[in-house]
Amino acid sequence: NAGVTQTPKFQVLKTGQSMTLQCAQDMNHNSMYWYRQDPGMGLRLIYYSASEGTTDKGEVPNGYNVSRLNKREFSLRLESAAPSQTSVYFCASSEGGLAGGVQYFGPGTRLTVT
Amino acid sequence: KNQVEQSPQSLIILEGKNCTLQCNYTVSPFSNLRWYKQDTGRGPVSLTIMTFSENTKSNGRYTATLDADTKQSSLHITASQLSDSASYICVVKDTGNQFYFGTGTSLTVIP
Repeated sequence: NAGVTQTPKFQVLKTGQSMTLQCAQDMNHNSMYWYRQDPGMGLRLIYYSASEGTTDKGEVPNGYNVSRLNKREFSLRLESAAPSQTSVYFCASSEGGLAGGVQYFGPGTRLTVT
Repeated sequence: KNQVEQSPQSLIILEGKNCTLQCNYTVSPFSNLRWYKQDTGRGPVSLTIMTFSENTKSNGRYTATLDADTKQSSLHITASQLSDSASYICVVKDTGNQFYFGTGTSLTVIP
């Protein structure tokens, strides 16, 4: 089992460019999450998907869109990247949804917006 | 305001020694508290999850405690190893859909 995989590992964008961060899990989990992690701040939830076909906003959704393509895949899109979106992005999945259960995190995507 | 505060911010200990990391929170209503270990350049890995009724939970050399009355948790690491060098993150979940992450304690274990 690969667990949670993310692509790409690193990305540099210019302001205004768009890109999609990909995430996939092979644990048959219902719930998936996108977080960002900035220096000196805790992880912050961007969007989550409690089950296939549903998505909901987290704490910091502005500037992002998500797609739960199927049970395995959950993508995060930046339509017009801004320097404030420079961060490390983590995807996670869990079996039991938001209420409980262990969250398994991917290795992260390090994004720099210039 | 719901917050999670961790202390110390950083800690250096000798290999083989024990240490205790602290987490204080104001999150209410409380659902569960989690401790994660995050190695540099990697995603967080779950160590423990505790609900209101649990006051101790162990995972190998890691033991977490929870005092829901005082809203405090600690993570005790026994007989530290070099591989314990990492950031340890405390996360509190409310009964809704919110997770509150601490900023972590950076632990360095030196030989």
